[in-house]
Amino acid sequence: GESVGLHLPTLSVQEGDNSIINCAYSNSASDYFIWYKQESGKGPQFIIDIRSNMDKRQGQRVTVLLNKTVKHLSLQIAATQPGDSAVYFCAGRPMDTGRRALTFGSGTRLQVQP
Amino acid sequence: DTGVSQNPRHKITKRGQNVTFRCDPISEHNRLYWYRQTLGQGPEFLTYFQNEAQLEKSRLLSDRFSAERPKGSFSTLEIQRTEQGDSAMYLCASSLERGTMGDTQYFGPGTRLTVL
Repeated sequence: GESVGLHLPTLSVQEGDNSIINCAYSNSASDYFIWYKQESGKGPQFIIDIRSNMDKRQGQRVTVLLNKTVKHLSLQIAATQPGDSAVYFCAGRPMDTGRRALTFGSGTRLQVQP
Repeated sequence: DTGVSQNPRHKITKRGQNVTFRCDPISEHNRLYWYRQTLGQGPEFLTYFQNEAQLEKSRLLSDRFSAERPKGSFSTLEIQRTEQGDSAMYLCASSLERGTMGDTQYFGPGTRLTVL
């Protein structure tokens, strides 16, 4: 079945360092991926998305890399700040089937140490 | 504020009671989604509407769950005869169809349900 998962449940980084959060997916039918940030007591907040016809996309301080060969994507956060502390989820879905349901991984908690 | 809003934010109920949640999407968004999230897990898809039509339902949406979007604007999610296993955060999201582009789902703050 379709699943999206994460390698590590918790990532601790020093303020100012770069963070890399990884995500693996098992279903090659997924070709649209989104990274969300979720702070305690809040709903998921959109960070960045990428389609399978791309291997890299950049936003403000964030970069998403997609490796379709090994079914892996990563979120890179530059110069990590205390406000980046949250749980990060990757989510995916097929683009051309009419299905809109996102399949989420279980999340990685990012802890930024001052 | 033009984000997705959900009410109530918290609901405590006794097992066997019915509960109803409301979601108001971003005003121009034609798609609306319901997800459920339990502690330490990612959100799980429940159902999705395009305008007033319910186009996709998850196997998680048992017959005790019903969702409506009567005028293609706000939506309600009702759970009948609640069970303790229904305790979770219920998240609503909305998106705007953009043709061949991926339509980003924007989430509301959620309604936390506790069934005693």
